[in-house]
Amino acid sequence: KAGVTQTPRYLIKTRGQQVTLSCSPISGHRSVSWYQQTPGQGLQFLFEYFSETQRNKGNFPGRFSGRQFSNSRSEMNVSTLELGDSALYLCASTPKIQGGETQYFGPGTRLLVL
Amino acid sequence: GENVEQHPSTLSVQEGDSAVIKCTYSDSASNYFPWYKQELGKRPQLIIDIRSNVGEKKDQRIAVTLNKTAKHFSLHITETQPEDSAVYFCAASIPGTNDYKLSFGAGTTVTVRA
Repeated sequence: KAGVTQTPRYLIKTRGQQVTLSCSPISGHRSVSWYQQTPGQGLQFLFEYFSETQRNKGNFPGRFSGRQFSNSRSEMNVSTLELGDSALYLCASTPKIQGGETQYFGPGTRLLVL
Repeated sequence: GENVEQHPSTLSVQEGDSAVIKCTYSDSASNYFPWYKQELGKRPQLIIDIRSNVGEKKDQRIAVTLNKTAKHFSLHITETQPEDSAVYFCAASIPGTNDYKLSFGAGTTVTVRA
């Protein structure tokens, strides 16, 4: 099976703009989680979607939002970008409904906000 | 929420020696503990995981131990090799709103000296 894919891989934006990132999970995986990775903060959980519904949410401001489509592909959106939003954004997919299963990560989208 | 603490933040070992990374978690309901390895510029990849009904698991040179009473788990790498140099993350799955979510430690940068 193909792995988790993310687009775009690199992105440069300016403060105040908004950005949309895309994640395609492994075929058959219904759960998609998003993480923000920065050198100082490690992997921070953003949110998780299953069957087009957000099931869990991390401690990020409302500028960060997401959605999931019927084919399990997911997008995340960041509005009114700030310099501190510069990070590697990773998505991960999981096959099963219940927790405790392996999360498979995509290559990430590296966002730079100028 | 769950707080996963990981120590040390950096670890330098001589090739052939062992490396040990320790993590603690706060939520006794956590039931799944994966370890991920992230090489420079690459995505995190699962290297080993353990569930709460098991105390130890081994896969070749890698082993993980879990102490539920003390709420800590450790990664052991024996006979380290240069290709073991990477950032290692521990994680614990904790009950979320509708399901479990992964909470990650801050990471340990392991450098294996030749």
